[in-house]
Amino acid sequence: DAKTTQPPSMDCAEGRAANLPCNHSTISGNEYVYWYRQIHSQGPQYIIHGLKNNETNEMASLIITEDRKSSTLILPHATLRDTAVYYCIVRQYSSASKIIFGSGTRLSIRP
Amino acid sequence: SQTIHQWPATLVQPVGSPLSLECTVEGTSNPNLYWYRQAAGRGLQLLFYSVGIGQISSEVPQNLSASRPQDRQFILSSKKLLLSDSGFYLCAWREKGNTDTQYFGPGTRLTVL
Repeated sequence: DAKTTQPPSMDCAEGRAANLPCNHSTISGNEYVYWYRQIHSQGPQYIIHGLKNNETNEMASLIITEDRKSSTLILPHATLRDTAVYYCIVRQYSSASKIIFGSGTRLSIRP
Repeated sequence: SQTIHQWPATLVQPVGSPLSLECTVEGTSNPNLYWYRQAAGRGLQLLFYSVGIGQISSEVPQNLSASRPQDRQFILSSKKLLLSDSGFYLCAWREKGNTDTQYFGPGTRLTVL
């Protein structure tokens, strides 16, 4: 699986859009970009994933650059409950599907 | 809908004691199952995964073991706990097929004293 690089921490004002970047310059053509988050003392929560098209669901939007070497997770209206560590993971489908989590970005939402 | 359960939620055990953590999944059949550990302030480390009953793959050599006696039951065990076994243990499941999304349980926080 390709390696990802994320800033260790970010902060955002409540009600504003939180934009979390992820670099994955060695991504290959069959690898997807996944985002999870982990709120303190809870298990990780799946957010969204994509291959090359931008994706949107009820939680977030995922913007993938045309060359697929980077992506941005967008939380459109951040709330205090969005304070968490956000993990960007790049992986290809496999029968075992082992996720290797990096250190992620610690997002703090300020009132 | 699918749900995943883990118990106990918290556990305090003395060094050298045995361990048994249980994970069960409802609402799906023949899932892939995973055990992860997260040490304090650290990322998640994959310990074991299983693609079917009785099939266990170990990622990290250590004094832990895993078993899958039933399709939707995954157990993490140890005969003798070490201080370094303290951490947050997470079970996850994934449907087979072309989806690669894993869903995590609430976790068990283990403290070894």
